Amino acid sequence: DSGVTQTPKHLITATGQRVTLRCSPRSGDLSVYWYQQSLDQGLQFLIQYYNGEERAKGNILERFSAQQFPDLHSELNLSSLELGDSALYFCASTKVGLPGDEQFFGPGTRLTVL
Amino acid sequence: AQSVSQHNHHVILSEAASLELGCNYSYGGTVNLFWYVQYPGQHLQLLLKYFSGDPLVKGIKGFEAEFIKSKFSFNLRKPSVQWSDTAEYFCAVSLDSNYQLIWGAGTKLIIKP
Repeated sequence: DSGVTQTPKHLITATGQRVTLRCSPRSGDLSVYWYQQSLDQGLQFLIQYYNGEERAKGNILERFSAQQFPDLHSELNLSSLELGDSALYFCASTKVGLPGDEQFFGPGTRLTVL
Repeated sequence: AQSVSQHNHHVILSEAASLELGCNYSYGGTVNLFWYVQYPGQHLQLLLKYFSGDPLVKGIKGFEAEFIKSKFSFNLRKPSVQWSDTAEYFCAVSLDSNYQLIWGAGTKLIIKP
């Protein structure tokens, strides 16, 4: 157990819908990362937050947004869902979010868009 | 754009065989290098990392990796694999200049008992 929790574990929804994925970092970690893992694209970095502020942005679509709340949990919002958004979404956390830090990963949320 | 290449997508070995998984990256500046592992049904976890110093890095469970700057490589090795090493292995690179972790496609390793 890494100490990072993600809910829900599985999510099945239809095209055009909107979903929210939730992540709670390890106790004491200030930085949260979101990743998408799909069969054709592999692991892709989406976005990083540090202490409530966006720190880095990767290949995140405009239909996707995220935020980190004062209690440091984070939510990833995916809207106008398409079939191609079906993937495993991982959250990771680190203490201060530096490039050389080990990232601790959650178990992921598997999203299926029908 | 920076990229990370893992040469083999699938590797099948017998127990006690030696393992080497290749990883190459494309970036000429200062990098931090990682190998993460995902055992079946478990979360991704760090196997080992390099950010400076001795280019030969030792990790958990008998794994090691060597950073060869001239070859832009960070290959993972283990002298004698066990059935419990069956997992997917990911090489990743982060640059000191930004916060993104760039991932290889992963190598699925199957160890036959």
